Amino acid sequence: QVQLQQSGPGLVKPSQTLSLICAISGDSVSSKSAAWNWIRQSPSRGLEWLGRTFYRSKWSKEYAPSVKSRLTINPDTANNQFSLQLDSVVPEDTAVYFCVSGNYWFDYWGQGTLVIVSS
Amino acid sequence: EIMMTQSPATLSVSPGERATLSCRTSQSLSRNLAWYQQKPGQAPRLLIYGASTRATGIPARFSGSGSGTEFTLTISSLQSEDFAVYYCQQYDNWPRTFGQGTKVEI
Repeated sequence: QVQLQQSGPGLVKPSQTLSLICAISGDSVSSKSAAWNWIRQSPSRGLEWLGRTFYRSKWSKEYAPSVKSRLTINPDTANNQFSLQLDSVVPEDTAVYFCVSGNYWFDYWGQGTLVIVSS
Repeated sequence: EIMMTQSPATLSVSPGERATLSCRTSQSLSRNLAWYQQKPGQAPRLLIYGASTRATGIPARFSGSGSGTEFTLTISSLQSEDFAVYYCQQYDNWPRTFGQGTKVEI
């Protein structure tokens, strides 16, 4: 059974970088059959897939067009976790952020982190 | 981007009744569609993938059907724990997209 544990601040100032970490247990971030995603949820935008990282013969990263210029998802093999960095945040980035496993559908979810963008 | 339209927005039903939720897509998906249940304060839970395959541990009262652009989630006999918001999600194309949800309430 895969478990995902999120950590990171709940308040970020406008124009700063939002950073979250997702620790994986029950699987490996380097698994050749898994993919590791970030999804956010807000009242205005609903559920929004942001991006993913996965390893096959090399590391790959894919991002949603809406955030591609600001988003970085990185694997951390030493600690079996992956991270999200969203640059230049604005109030519209306020949402609950989830880390999620899945290549096609999303089967295991972290507990969610409410991130508020406010000065 | 594939647009997902769920209806109705809210469905009022009584325990023991049947609930039928709809998801329509802006492009044909074949059967590349999943359904999730979300309760307040919790993450979504995977119910169905491949339009009709129940995920591990999901009761048989949940069933999915459809293909192409029209999909249905049916809850055959609502239990108290089934009152929640339900979302559809397509994985036929990038980016992955979700519907806006149907709230099933008493």
